[in-house]
Amino acid sequence: KAGVTQTPRYLIKTRGQQVTLSCSPISGHRSVSWYQQTPGQGLQFLFEYFSETQRNKGNFPGRFSGRQFSNSRSEMNVSTLELGDSALYLCASSPLAGGPYEQFFGPGTRLTVL
Amino acid sequence: GNSVTQMEGPVTLSEEAFLTINCTYTATGYPSLFWYVQYPGEGLQLLLKATKADDKGSNKGFEATYRKETTSFHLEKGSVQVSDSAVYFCALSVIQGAQKLVFGQGTRLTINP
Repeated sequence: KAGVTQTPRYLIKTRGQQVTLSCSPISGHRSVSWYQQTPGQGLQFLFEYFSETQRNKGNFPGRFSGRQFSNSRSEMNVSTLELGDSALYLCASSPLAGGPYEQFFGPGTRLTVL
Repeated sequence: GNSVTQMEGPVTLSEEAFLTINCTYTATGYPSLFWYVQYPGEGLQLLLKATKADDKGSNKGFEATYRKETTSFHLEKGSVQVSDSAVYFCALSVIQGAQKLVFGQGTRLTINP
């Protein structure tokens, strides 16, 4: 079974731009979560989607948004990029929502904001 | 609120040494506890988990026991290998109808031959 895939793997943007990251979960998995990883703040939960509905959201500004499609693929969008948005963005999938089911992580998208 | 505290790193050991990485937590309700490992350039992999008090999770020679009385979930391995070099994260999940992991800050482990 193919694992969680994330595209692109690396991205360089400038302040003020917007960016869209994509995540394809493991086949059959319906829950997709997003996390931000930075050296200063560590791993922080962004949001979770299940059956195209956002079920939970972390403490991030409204510039961070996401969505999930009917095939469970998910995208997250960051608008008006700031230098502090430079991070590794990790996507994780699990078969169901509600926990504590194992989450399977993708390799991440490394975003650099200049 | 829910939080996880891990021992400060980095940790450097010689091959075949005994490993302990401390993890304590604060949680409302009854959390499930996890250890994840991140190898260079990769995402996180689940190493082991425990879903209730006194459960012991184990995998690849690593073990951790869910201790409710001390709110701890320390990771141990009897004999580490160079290939165990990675960053280790302790995490918890409190069932609130959503998948949401709260992570510790991570502990970088380096094993020297």
